[in-house]
Amino acid sequence: SQQGEEDPQALSIQEGENATMNCSYKTSINNLQWYRQNSGRGLVHLILIRSNEREKHSGRLRVTLDTSKKSSSLLITASRAADTASYFCATAPGGGADGLTFGKGTHLIIQP
Amino acid sequence: ETGVTQSPTHLIKTRGQQVTLRCSSQSGHNTVSWYQQALGQGPQFIFQYYREEENGRGNFPPRFSGLQFPNYSSELNVNALELDDSALYLCASSSQGTRSEKLFFGSGTQLSVL
Repeated sequence: SQQGEEDPQALSIQEGENATMNCSYKTSINNLQWYRQNSGRGLVHLILIRSNEREKHSGRLRVTLDTSKKSSSLLITASRAADTASYFCATAPGGGADGLTFGKGTHLIIQP
Repeated sequence: ETGVTQSPTHLIKTRGQQVTLRCSSQSGHNTVSWYQQALGQGPQFIFQYYREEENGRGNFPPRFSGLQFPNYSSELNVNALELDDSALYLCASSSQGTRSEKLFFGSGTQLSVL
């Protein structure tokens, strides 16, 4: 079953604009991660934020985490055509080897 | 690009057959996990192997089984294939053992069951 739910399901913006996508989850987590997937192939890890962190930056990416609302957001600034991809949030449970639980993803299209 | 390689890249099987998918983990990684991704969905956790032992499993039936070898490479075996097994199968490696930390994914094997 999918724990995370990304919103929106699809997003189309102009190159240079900022893209924001959101993720909600249901149970307590150890960390939350964002991955990118191009054309249905392998996923690439973007950023990991731990449950005791509220915000994290990596290059043009900014991730926030609100554990009280069980939600996270991913902001991509100054978007480029190469950012066109599907973006997934994935949650790691509080302990154990239960794997990551992924949402259905947000499909981002950057118009040149 | 990660150092995780999967083979084959594409595979077509018939319902009822058996299939074996292979994965070579990134150098230095001792943990391999497998995910199934149906079209339009996010990946779903099948199981994880750490030091040749299965140490975590998702909600998949026993006909999904695996192995991890001393060099940390891994196999996913699926018996009695069903049409719903058609999906992209992703292998991921990490060095974290039982903790769900950053994963390095391969490019996947696209399985079609007819």
